[in-house]
Amino acid sequence: AQKVTQAQTEISVVEKEDVTLDCVYETRDTTYYLFWYKQPPSGELVFLIRRNSFDEQNEISGRYSWNFQKSTSSFNFTITASQVVDSAVYFCALSTGGYQKVTFGTGTKLQVIP
Amino acid sequence: ETGVTQTPRHLVMGMTNKKSLKCEQHLGHNAMYWYKQSAKKPLELMFVYSLEERVENNSVPSRFSPECPNSSHLFLHLHTLQPEDSALYLCASSQLSLSGSANNEQFFGPGTRLTVL
Repeated sequence: AQKVTQAQTEISVVEKEDVTLDCVYETRDTTYYLFWYKQPPSGELVFLIRRNSFDEQNEISGRYSWNFQKSTSSFNFTITASQVVDSAVYFCALSTGGYQKVTFGTGTKLQVIP
Repeated sequence: ETGVTQTPRHLVMGMTNKKSLKCEQHLGHNAMYWYKQSAKKPLELMFVYSLEERVENNSVPSRFSPECPNSSHLFLHLHTLQPEDSALYLCASSQLSLSGSANNEQFFGPGTRLTVL
């Protein structure tokens, strides 16, 4: 069975602070893919990043960065210098290669206060 | 239009009504999905269609009936729903590899907010 845990239900930060959203996953497969999605108040989930299990390099995209550590089965997401527009629910997801095996976490609601 | 569109955006229905949700993708993808999003629960995958063939049905009650007439359109027919079916229903599409693996990201529509009275 596979599982994605996002232990942080809600986080509030003041604008310009850095914030890290945690994601811990479980799978017995050696090949898998990890994703982060953002869901703003408008409702639709927006894809942010995909990582495969063979690529542990961290990635930076503007104010966003991702830390993938297989040793701890974690794929954490950091927003640097947060902005009000970052307020949303963020979902971590795990795919083990079959379309029926995409598992989403429960999401972390981020509120950035001006 | 681009991306994935869903209509209607909001729907209120009684338990005896019959309604349909519509999803359309303009991305040329070969797979489409229906998800249910309830408060404080993970996204629940309901149905998956690959090349217009239903390949996944996650023990969804028969009062939900999907239809995929072509690779761009997906419907969810609703009848005799219960109040606990009130939720945000999200449609998504993706491009599956030849092996059917879901290693590509999914593109989501804005959802239909359904309220069952």
